[in-house]
Amino acid sequence: QVQLVQSGAEVKKPGASVRVSCKPSGYTFTAYTMQWARQAPGQGLEWLGWINPASGNTRYSQKLQDRVTLTGDTSAGTVYMDLSSLTSEDTAIYYCARLHPTGSYWGRGTLVVVSS
Amino acid sequence: QAVVTQEPSLTVSPGGTVTLTCACSTGPVTSGRYPYWFQQRPGQAPRALIYDTNNRYAWTPARFSGSLLGGKAALILSGAQPDDEAEYYCLLNYGVAWVFGGGTKLAVL
Repeated sequence: QVQLVQSGAEVKKPGASVRVSCKPSGYTFTAYTMQWARQAPGQGLEWLGWINPASGNTRYSQKLQDRVTLTGDTSAGTVYMDLSSLTSEDTAIYYCARLHPTGSYWGRGTLVVVSS
Repeated sequence: QAVVTQEPSLTVSPGGTVTLTCACSTGPVTSGRYPYWFQQRPGQAPRALIYDTNNRYAWTPARFSGSLLGGKAALILSGAQPDDEAEYYCLLNYGVAWVFGGGTKLAVL
């Protein structure tokens, strides 16, 4: 069965960076693009970007393209989301998701809190 | 970047039918936007219900259906159950990027 296991909650200071990991299981790691989204408290979903783990190709939202980086480690079978220059507006739950006609699955989310 | 708009809130009676819509600021929503629909209950991750406009996943109850209506993507819920009370999000494709709608809070009352 497909599962996406994300790293634990993070508390960061303004100006710092954060890394969130997502390790899928139950399918071939390189076979599907991984999407990332976030959800600020009480707000809707915001698409952040995607990575093709096979090629390393990425695309980012215009809003965050200067601060977000998605990478994949095929040996570890893990994708990573790095977000830099954090502000309080980056406080959110960060999700990885495999969206595909053959099946769509979401991680349980990683809470990132940015606070001084 | 495109803006995707959904009704902020809707109410449906148990057993009733309701249509949630998803509009795009750049023009009509077509099948080429590959609309997805997701359900999110409080404290949970989203769950995909519909892909590519009108296709259900194996886990999607048959009372949920997707379509294109009047230039918008639509999620139709027929025979609403109390368990369907949740937030619903659409997701549209714009080439290499995707954009979520703002979400519709559906109450079953």
